This record gives sequence, structure tokens and C-alpha cells, in this order.
Amino acid sequence: SQQGEEDPQALSIQEGENATMNCSYKTSINNLQWYRQNSGRGLVHLILIRSNEREKHSGRLRVTLDTSKKSSSLLITASRAADTASYFCATGRDNQGGKLIFGQGTELSVKP
Amino acid sequence: GAVVSQHPSWVICKSGTSVKIECRSLDFQATTMFWYRQFPKQSLMLMATSNEGSKATYEQGVEKDKFLINHASLTLSTLTVTSAHPEDSSFYICRPGQGVIKGTEAFFGQGTRLTVV
Repeated sequence: SQQGEEDPQALSIQEGENATMNCSYKTSINNLQWYRQNSGRGLVHLILIRSNEREKHSGRLRVTLDTSKKSSSLLITASRAADTASYFCATGRDNQGGKLIFGQGTELSVKP
Repeated sequence: GAVVSQHPSWVICKSGTSVKIECRSLDFQATTMFWYRQFPKQSLMLMATSNEGSKATYEQGVEKDKFLINHASLTLSTLTVTSAHPEDSSFYICRPGQGVIKGTEAFFGQGTRLTVV
């Protein structure tokens, strides 16, 4: 079953601009992960944030987590055409054997 | 990091035939394997969880007799789509249930694109 809702569903920006994608979930979690998927391909892990963390950075990526609002955001700074892909959040709980539930995803298009 | 090998990467089959998808964990033992399905322009939906040496657990709405899962060893889990129909055409992807428990990233197989004609 799907837990997460992501918005926007689609986002189109110009190269160099920042892209922000949001993810909301319904139940308590222990971790939240962001993945990238190029059209019809496999998943690429971007970043994992634990429920006791509020913010994490990795290169041009910045992820925030607000457990009180049950939401997370992924910010991609200085976007490039190569960032064009679908982005998904996925939530997990430690007592569920590593099970991940995915959000609906955001389709990002970065125009050169 | 952990290596997961999924095979085949794509398959085209005739309606009514069965297709087997393999997922191997190459450098660790996977007691649990998650199988996901993704239709075009949609997200990943968890289909079932396979456990080594026991019966798989299926998510609501997933037919266990149609999607046969076998997890006979700690390094291999298989998903067989039986009597495939065009509506089964989808992207199937596996993931061993190791990484997230340890607080590290979850590794996925490369995925299998199934087209039923």
C-alpha cells in the first residue's frame, strides 16, 4: 500500500534553478530515503535520513525531515539537465524487516 | 556496498505463458526479499515479501497463485508470473531486506521489464 504523497507530481525548471520536492507520509517512521529513477530504469539511492535527524546534505542535495508534520523535502540546488528524472521518497520502520513504502513520486524536468 | 543481481533485465512473452525473474544477493545473505511492481508513470508498489525457507507474505490485492515466490536459499529469491496477461506488463524490481535495518541505504536489483504480448 502507498503511504507517501509527493508534490508536485511534475516539476519543470530551467538549468541553474533550484528544485524542491515534498513528501508526506501517514504513519510513524524510523527512516526516510530519497531515490532517483531515470525513465524506465532502476533506482538510484540518493540519501537516507533517520527519524532523529532534521536535515542532511549530500553534494547539491539537501533533505529535511519534520516528523511532527510527517513530511520531508528534497532540494536540488543549481539543477542540471542531467537531473531530469523521477524522484521518490520511501519510508521504513525498523520493526518491519526493512520494508519500504514509496511515495507517488515527482517527475522533474530540467530544461537546458 | 551490497550487490544485488536481478535477471533478466527485460523479457517479452506471449500471453498465457509463465516468466521467472531471479534476484540474487551476491555478497551477503538475504533472509528477506521484497518484490515491487511499477506500472508506467507510477510509483513502486510492494507486491510481496519473501522469507528464506518459509511462505511469502503478499500485500492486499496481489494474487499469490499468480505471482509465485520462492526463496529457497539465502542468496536467491524468484518471482514467477504465471499465465501472464498483457495487464501484467510492468517493471518488477527486487530488494533484499538487509540495508535499512542497519541504517544504511537499501539496495535494489536492476529491475525486469516484462512485456506480455
